[in-house]
Amino acid sequence: AQKVTQAQTEISVVEKEDVTLDCVYETRDTTYYLFWYKQPPSGELVFLIRRNSFDEQNEISGRYSWNFQKSTSSFNFTITASQVVDSAVYFCALSDLNAGNNRKLIWGLGTSLAVNP
Amino acid sequence: KAGVTQTPRYLIKTRGQQVTLSCSPISGHRSVSWYQQTPGQGLQFLFEYFSETQRNKGNFPGRFSGRQFSNSRSEMNVSTLELGDSALYLCASSLQDSAYEQYFGPGTRLTVT
Repeated sequence: AQKVTQAQTEISVVEKEDVTLDCVYETRDTTYYLFWYKQPPSGELVFLIRRNSFDEQNEISGRYSWNFQKSTSSFNFTITASQVVDSAVYFCALSDLNAGNNRKLIWGLGTSLAVNP
Repeated sequence: KAGVTQTPRYLIKTRGQQVTLSCSPISGHRSVSWYQQTPGQGLQFLFEYFSETQRNKGNFPGRFSGRQFSNSRSEMNVSTLELGDSALYLCASSLQDSAYEQYFGPGTRLTVT
């Protein structure tokens, strides 16, 4: 069954520390898409990154980087030199085909990150 | 480009009433999805509409319904409200389907008393 697991419910770090948020997924499909979203205290979810299953290249965007490893079904997210503004709930999501041949988004439960000054 | 808008932003209703929430997607986006978010439950998928047709549905009772208009705007309705329906209701739009990134509105905070 399709599933996304974010084992870390809450993480607390001190500013400037590096932090990695884990995401493990399960799917039967060979073509699927993975996402990370950020939900700051204001509540509005913000799209961070999209990855398709055929592209295992790691990606870096400023202080953010993503490590996609199909062999371990993981799509981990690292924030380097964390800042207080990074405090948010981060969600990992998987898009694959459901029984009706439509794409459906499966969400992890989120990891709440607190960056303390 | 204007983002996803949701109205109203806040709503207080009493048990047994019904409520309608509205969502206007980003221009050009044809897929609209609705989610319920409660503390500890993460994002629970309600349904997805595409070209005025419901394409996907989550595991919610029939009290939860929705529709999409020809201009892609969408509404969701909850009838016979229960205390447990108190939540943040989020609407997201995307170009075609969930293979594409979704853009979220600010949500409607519903409180049922």
